[in-house]
Amino acid sequence: AQRVTQPEKLLSVFKGAPVELKCNYSYSGSPELFWYVQYSRQRLQLLLRHISRESIKGFTADLNKGETSFHLKKPFAQEEDSAMYYCALSGLEAAGNKLTFGGGTRVLVKP
Amino acid sequence: EPEVTQTPSHQVTQMGQEVILRCVPISNHLYFYWYRQILGQKVEFLVSFYNNEISEKSEIFDDQFSVERPDGSNFTLKIRSTKLEDSAMYFCASSEGSGGFTDTQYFGPGTRLTVL
Repeated sequence: AQRVTQPEKLLSVFKGAPVELKCNYSYSGSPELFWYVQYSRQRLQLLLRHISRESIKGFTADLNKGETSFHLKKPFAQEEDSAMYYCALSGLEAAGNKLTFGGGTRVLVKP
Repeated sequence: EPEVTQTPSHQVTQMGQEVILRCVPISNHLYFYWYRQILGQKVEFLVSFYNNEISEKSEIFDDQFSVERPDGSNFTLKIRSTKLEDSAMYFCASSEGSGGFTDTQYFGPGTRLTVL
């Protein structure tokens, strides 16, 4: 079974401070991990995915298979980073490219 | 940039009525999906569709649900006899299909279904 856990429902940080959103997963096969973001009144959109190994808008995420984690980090948060962030998992063994989502973390960046 | 579109943005229906939620996936994409999010809960997978047939469905996707690609552009979700617990935001998504499970899924803006 696939499971994604985001332990923080809300993260509140000041502009310029580092931010880290935690994501832990449970999956027995070969996972692919994603971070999706939903800005106010906008659609879910991909922020980054493990396979691309890139930094988007200053965010990075490292897949740690030993700790089964895919935490999202940004060294200096900006006000425009305020949004809902969802960690999601798919896998080679998961039929139909099914995505399993975590519960989401709301990030509020204060000026 | 191409986007997934969904209509209507909000649908209100009476319990027991049938509803059809419509989606237009990105034109060159081969995989289509429906997800839903009940207020305050996780985004949940309902069904994926490829090559004109269901590729995978969740246990939520029971006999009251069906999907169809009636023409070359639309992808629909039908709920035959709505229940109060079907009230949720329904998201359509599509992906290219070339990378399989590693593909990015592109989401529509959602349809908010309210069952009274």
